[in-house]
Amino acid sequence: SQQGEEDPQALSIQEGENATMNCSYKTSINNLQWYRQNSGRGLVHLILIRSNEREKHSGRLRVTLDTSKKSSSLLITASRAADTASYFCATDGSNFGNEKLTFGTGTRLTIIP
Amino acid sequence: GAVVSQHPSRVICKSGTSVKIECRSLDFQATTMFWYRQFPKQSLMLMATSNEGSKATYEQGVEKDKFLINHASLTLSTLTVTSAHPEDSSFYICSASHDQGEQFFGPGTRLTVL
Repeated sequence: SQQGEEDPQALSIQEGENATMNCSYKTSINNLQWYRQNSGRGLVHLILIRSNEREKHSGRLRVTLDTSKKSSSLLITASRAADTASYFCATDGSNFGNEKLTFGTGTRLTIIP
Repeated sequence: GAVVSQHPSRVICKSGTSVKIECRSLDFQATTMFWYRQFPKQSLMLMATSNEGSKATYEQGVEKDKFLINHASLTLSTLTVTSAHPEDSSFYICSASHDQGEQFFGPGTRLTVL
């Protein structure tokens, strides 16, 4: 079964608007990561947030984590056409190392120029 | 960042044949490699975890005799899909990690079985 569920499954917004995607998970985690995947390509690591962190920023990305609700959100500000991709959250129970990741169902984001 | 390559990027084969996919870590030694499968418009599902020099650990529901994994060196892992059938058509992605750090993902291999 999927550890992570993401919503929305698909999101279309105008270029320049902000995009928010949510991820919920079921078991305890040590880290939660967000990845981007362009169609038919591999994964690009975006950001990692540890279980003792509540918010993290990287450029136009802002990630929050609420361990009490077992949920995370990814905010992309000032969206660009190049942000069109699928976005996945992934959780692991290790201290960020070589332990398996469990991926969410993903959000397909489309930025309309 | 670290680079992981996969070869081939695309493969088309006939039903009943075997296909080998290579995953290489180009600039670091990967003690652990992971193999994922992704069906169209779906998420990545972990198939197996392999550590260099030891047998792979397969996830529940993944047939180890059908998906043979070899991790013979610290920079190379191979996935062989034996006696492939059309339902094995999928996007296969590997990732590699070393003791210290994160998983680095390969670009994926699209397998089409006719």
